Amino acid sequence: AQSVSQHNHHVILSEAASLELGCNYSYGGTVNLFWYVQYPGQHLQLLLKYFSGDPLVKGIKGFEAEFIKSKFSFNLRKPSVQWSDTAEYFCAVTSRYNQGGKLIFGQGTELSVKP
Amino acid sequence: KAGVTQTPRYLIKTRGQQVTLSCSPISGHRSVSWYQQTPGQGLQFLFEYFSETQRNKGNFPGRFSGRQFSNSRSEMNVSTLELGDSALYLCASSLALPGLEPGELFFGEGSRLTVL
Repeated sequence: AQSVSQHNHHVILSEAASLELGCNYSYGGTVNLFWYVQYPGQHLQLLLKYFSGDPLVKGIKGFEAEFIKSKFSFNLRKPSVQWSDTAEYFCAVTSRYNQGGKLIFGQGTELSVKP
Repeated sequence: KAGVTQTPRYLIKTRGQQVTLSCSPISGHRSVSWYQQTPGQGLQFLFEYFSETQRNKGNFPGRFSGRQFSNSRSEMNVSTLELGDSALYLCASSLALPGLEPGELFFGEGSRLTVL
């Protein structure tokens, strides 16, 4: 069965620190990968996605993620976080051949950025 | 354009009752998915509807059901509520046309259900 594991439940950083959130997935086939973000009091929104091609993908607000197929990983990075990055971050996977909205989400990582 | 709209935003029910939640997708989106979000289990996929047909289903008991109307609006129903059904229920819509890559999901703000 598909599953997604996010290593860190809660991460606390100071502004300007670098960020890396881990995500590993379990799935035997070809996958599409996503990172979603949920800011306090707001709805989930897409941060970035990987379908194929360059394994380093760039998203909104300076975030990027690297797909490493051999490690079944899709870690999220940002070189310098801001207070406004405080949010919960979710990694998600779906089969490349799945049509539609069935995503498997990780448990989420809560990021707190101290000003 | 308007986002995904879910109603009601908050509701309180007692065990044994049933509840119906509504979701209006973004105009033009034909796929509607439902997720349950809880602190312990995270986001779990309930089901997805496309063109009034259930296209995918998660591992939830039959008490959880849904439907989609011809205008793409969707409802989900939970019967015989249990305490463990307390959660944030999220609806997401996408274009998700057959033959294309799974598209970006656009989420609503959710319906927070409390079961007493």
